[in-house]
Amino acid sequence: EAAVTQSPRNKVAVTGGKVTLSCNQTNNHNNMYWYRQDTGHGLRLIHYSYGAGSTEKGDIPDGYKASRPSQENFSLILELATPSQTSVYFCASGEQGARDTQYFGPGTRLLVL
Amino acid sequence: GDSVTQKQGQVTLSEDDFLFINCTYSTTTYPTLLWYVQYLGQGPQLLLKVTTANNKGISRGFEATYDKGTTSFHLQKASVQESDSAVYFCALERGSALGRLHFGAGTQLIVIP
Repeated sequence: EAAVTQSPRNKVAVTGGKVTLSCNQTNNHNNMYWYRQDTGHGLRLIHYSYGAGSTEKGDIPDGYKASRPSQENFSLILELATPSQTSVYFCASGEQGARDTQYFGPGTRLLVL
Repeated sequence: GDSVTQKQGQVTLSEDDFLFINCTYSTTTYPTLLWYVQYLGQGPQLLLKVTTANNKGISRGFEATYDKGTTSFHLQKASVQESDSAVYFCALERGSALGRLHFGAGTQLIVIP
């Protein structure tokens, strides 16, 4: 069974502060993704990675950085958090050969005050 | 560019009613079309997928058919149950090696017992 975990599950941050969202997967998948989910927009891709040491920009990367230090871990970094980044963030992993099947974590609810 | 449209934000049904959720897409490539389901408090999970090769996907009583002529990919179920209450996303797989998905806005299904 696929296993993707995220921490923290809930986070309250102040405007201008730094926020790091962490994701860990035990599936040994090459690909990992960060999405945000907002009402009316579905899930939008922020950053993704195809292996340790690589990060790529998704559709809405502005204001976010990503880090993939190992096969298992993928972090999303908000250097200067803004209220517009209040959202639910999902991490996902996927096999390189099964591009359409992504396994999602439980999500992190972020509130920026 | 690629896009996916779900206009129904919420659908409310009674148990044993017929479900129909509309999804249309636009892409210049041969797509893989998917439906993901998100239960309360969880991340999305793949429900079913359809390619241009098979035209239809079936899973857990749900069915989706790909219609190239109308560029539509509707989700149907003959008889819904309360346990089907969830948010349903249609998605488009872009054909890249990195498995980038483009999600619709989502349709919340509420099934009244």
